[in-house]
Amino acid sequence: NAGVTQTPKFQVLKTGQSMTLQCAQDMNHEYMSWYRQDPGMGLRLIHYSVGAGITDQGEVPNGYNVSRSTTEDFPLRLLSAAPSQTSVYFCASSYGDRDGYTFGSGTRLTVV
Amino acid sequence: GEDVEQSLFLSVREGDSSVINCTYTDSSSTYLYWYKQEPGAGLQLLTYIFSNMDMKQDQRLTVLLNKKDKHLSLRIADTQTGDSAIYFCAESLNTGGFKTIFGAGTRLFVKA
Repeated sequence: NAGVTQTPKFQVLKTGQSMTLQCAQDMNHEYMSWYRQDPGMGLRLIHYSVGAGITDQGEVPNGYNVSRSTTEDFPLRLLSAAPSQTSVYFCASSYGDRDGYTFGSGTRLTVV
Repeated sequence: GEDVEQSLFLSVREGDSSVINCTYTDSSSTYLYWYKQEPGAGLQLLTYIFSNMDMKQDQRLTVLLNKKDKHLSLRIADTQTGDSAIYFCAESLNTGGFKTIFGAGTRLFVKA
């Protein structure tokens, strides 16, 4: 039981490049979310999903796309990286409200 | 709008009690949570409280909820140096999906 697995752990991108941050969970959780963490701003919700085939926008969705074709996977795509997207990205999953989220260990992204 | 606010820093002596406070704005919150983040790691769920409860105790942790004032607190009894971390308050919104909003986090320093 690996929990929530995020890859890569570190990434440096040039402005304008695209990439996909991977997230997979093996707990059969319906709910999955992507957050970004910036100093002094806590975690901000980018996108979330309440089940396979269903996604919705969070607080800061611009510049990011998601899809949820399976229960296990919830990749986050950066379409055209910008320096403002330099951040630590966390993927999280949950079985339901009462259980709270299980977090991955994060991806530290730097856009130069 | 949806907002969760916390003070950014708290310093206590080892053995004292720590109280971390949080205010939230959305009255439709169903569950409220406290998460702990240690350096370089993802967030770990510490405890949660359902919105119709006033208090929840779990070993050294006591959560108090004042729904009228939209105020949540986390008390850590007999604080240890291992409790040094960032503590996040979060609320789960009753929006028909599962959308969790986090505060900016309170960094707890424990002095030996």
